[in-house]
Amino acid sequence: QKEVEQDPGPLSVPEGAIVSLNCTYSNSAFQYFMWYRQYSRKGPELLMYTYSSGNKEDGRFTAQVDKSSKYISLFIRDSQPSDSATYLCAMRTTSGTYKYIFGTGTRLKVLA
Amino acid sequence: GAGVSQSPSNKVTEKGKDVELRCDPISGHTALYWYRQSLGQGLEFLIYFQGNSAPDKSGLPSDRFSAERTGGSVSTLTIQRTQQEDSAVYLCASSSSSDPFFGQGTRLTVV
Repeated sequence: QKEVEQDPGPLSVPEGAIVSLNCTYSNSAFQYFMWYRQYSRKGPELLMYTYSSGNKEDGRFTAQVDKSSKYISLFIRDSQPSDSATYLCAMRTTSGTYKYIFGTGTRLKVLA
Repeated sequence: GAGVSQSPSNKVTEKGKDVELRCDPISGHTALYWYRQSLGQGLEFLIYFQGNSAPDKSGLPSDRFSAERTGGSVSTLTIQRTQQEDSAVYLCASSSSSDPFFGQGTRLTVV
């Protein structure tokens, strides 16, 4: 079993839809959670990060962490065609470590 | 430059040849990572450099892979005697007490 599981998709939604992207993990030591967005033939770019359970909002994006269920989500409201990309979750244990564990990424396509 | 720069963007090489991939991190970033991204496999950690400390090479898949970082800045990932399974996107990232910032990657194709 992988430490981080992420549905690869692809996920196709109409423009304006609310998108839910999810990851589950098995290591309860993970404390820091990140979402990266990767456009085709580009490197991943950091979208959001959160260090605690609950929700964190940034514009149209909300990151949600449920440590008791070992489950994290990224919600995108009012999705746009420009949101079409692969979304990767990433996580690590304490602040002193550099070992980031990434999900395989979910490919999202927002249809105009 | 403003971001992490990798070269070349694309590299096609014949099986058995050696290749060198270059990474210029963000100025001032002390940490540098190499990852490999294969289709459907996510990002695979290869190696990590932090300042003058000994690098963590635990992710290098075989002794054909090596990396160095000169002067705490530019890094080169070398793959000797390339195999077809080495075909992937090689991503470099750098950070400084933050989550890593990635370059655009080098797409390596071994034919």
